Amino acid sequence: NAGVTQTPKFQVLKTGQSMTLQCAQDMNHEYMSWYRQDPGMGLRLIHYSVGAGITDQGEVPNGYNVSRSTTEDFPLRLLSAAPSQTSVYFCASSYSGSGGGTGELFFGEGSRLTVL
Amino acid sequence: AQRVTQPEKLLSVFKGAPVELKCNYSYSGSPELFWYVQYSRQRLQLLLRHISRESIKGFTADLNKGETSFHLKKPFAQEEDSAMYYCALDSGGSNYKLTFGKGTLLTVNP
Repeated sequence: NAGVTQTPKFQVLKTGQSMTLQCAQDMNHEYMSWYRQDPGMGLRLIHYSVGAGITDQGEVPNGYNVSRSTTEDFPLRLLSAAPSQTSVYFCASSYSGSGGGTGELFFGEGSRLTVL
Repeated sequence: AQRVTQPEKLLSVFKGAPVELKCNYSYSGSPELFWYVQYSRQRLQLLLRHISRESIKGFTADLNKGETSFHLKKPFAQEEDSAMYYCALDSGGSNYKLTFGKGTLLTVNP
């Protein structure tokens, strides 16, 4: 069981470039999400998905796009990178709680993105 | 809107001393509260959740609905407890948005 796998681990972009952060999980989790971690800001939810074909916005969705075509994969796309998107990005997944909610999240190792 | 406040960015204690990491939340319903921990060069992972009422690595946390708090406590800190700790709130139901606090960096000195 690899758990949650994110690629790449490090990336440097120029302003205006686009890229995709990949996230895959092999635990058959229905719920997947993307967070960004910034110093002094904690983790902030970007987008999430409760199953294949279903996505929704989190707290800070602007400038990011997601899709969920399979249960396993949940890529995060930066459409036109800006320096404000310099951050560490975490993908997380869970079974999703039986009474609703997220349940215990399992995290990837993180992807450190720098936008120049 | 739900909100989680961790008032201390940094907390430094000596080995063997008690430690308490504070967490206050704002939510009108019945939330589920979590503590997540990130050790150096490791993934974020769940430390404990209030519904399980377990003690993990000597840590406990009690949900106080009257004070809207979920403080994390350990009677005798160890050097390996040094890490970043995040409190998180899940409002449950169809709102699949786990809200994190800004985190507290705990350093346990020898």
